[in-house]
Amino acid sequence: GAGVSQSPRYKVAKRGQDVALRCDPISGHVSLFWYQQALGQGPEFLTYFQNEAQLDKSGLPSDRFFAERPEGSVSTLKIQRTQQEDSAVYLCASSLEALRTDTQYFGPGTRLTVL
Amino acid sequence: GESVGLHLPTLSVQEGDNSIINCAYSNSASDYFIWYKQESGKGPQFIIDIRSNMDKRQGQRVTVLLNKTVKHLSLQIAATQPGDSAVYFCAEEETSYGKLTFGQGTILTVHP
Repeated sequence: GAGVSQSPRYKVAKRGQDVALRCDPISGHVSLFWYQQALGQGPEFLTYFQNEAQLDKSGLPSDRFFAERPEGSVSTLKIQRTQQEDSAVYLCASSLEALRTDTQYFGPGTRLTVL
Repeated sequence: GESVGLHLPTLSVQEGDNSIINCAYSNSASDYFIWYKQESGKGPQFIIDIRSNMDKRQGQRVTVLLNKTVKHLSLQIAATQPGDSAVYFCAEEETSYGKLTFGQGTILTVHP
């Protein structure tokens, strides 16, 4: 079966541009997470959705970052007025339910480079 | 997670050797831990997990050990193969819904 997919896989943006990153979770998965991974570091939590509800956005670094999951399936992470420090890999993960012990399945990530 | 820039710990082994990868976690209240493998250009892949009421758990060729006294996790890989070459991360789950905090990664290189 299909895993988590993300698009685009690579995105180059000029500083100040807006970008939108898409995540298609595994069908039927309730939980969806976004993480940011800087070069040479582990992923860091950005935000969490349970179905369409955004229950935790404590990791979003600034108000330039916005995420949505309007129908409880596909999610979009939007970054406005991109800056160089936004350059990173953005990972999406989904899990079947909303339990601590549910395995999170990660997508391949979108590598964002801001020039 | 801890920030170490580009200088991740590295471990080089020969094919067939056993590998041990270590991780220190920060939150003494954490009660669920996971090891992930990340290959170049891919997202993290689940390897094995352990709850805090256990000190050892075994999978296929992998064993995770948990020492809550010193807040230390280790991942043991038996008969390491070239396909095991990757970056390995430990992670803690801090919430009821599974928010992960990743630790410092370790680069494992397996030489044929």
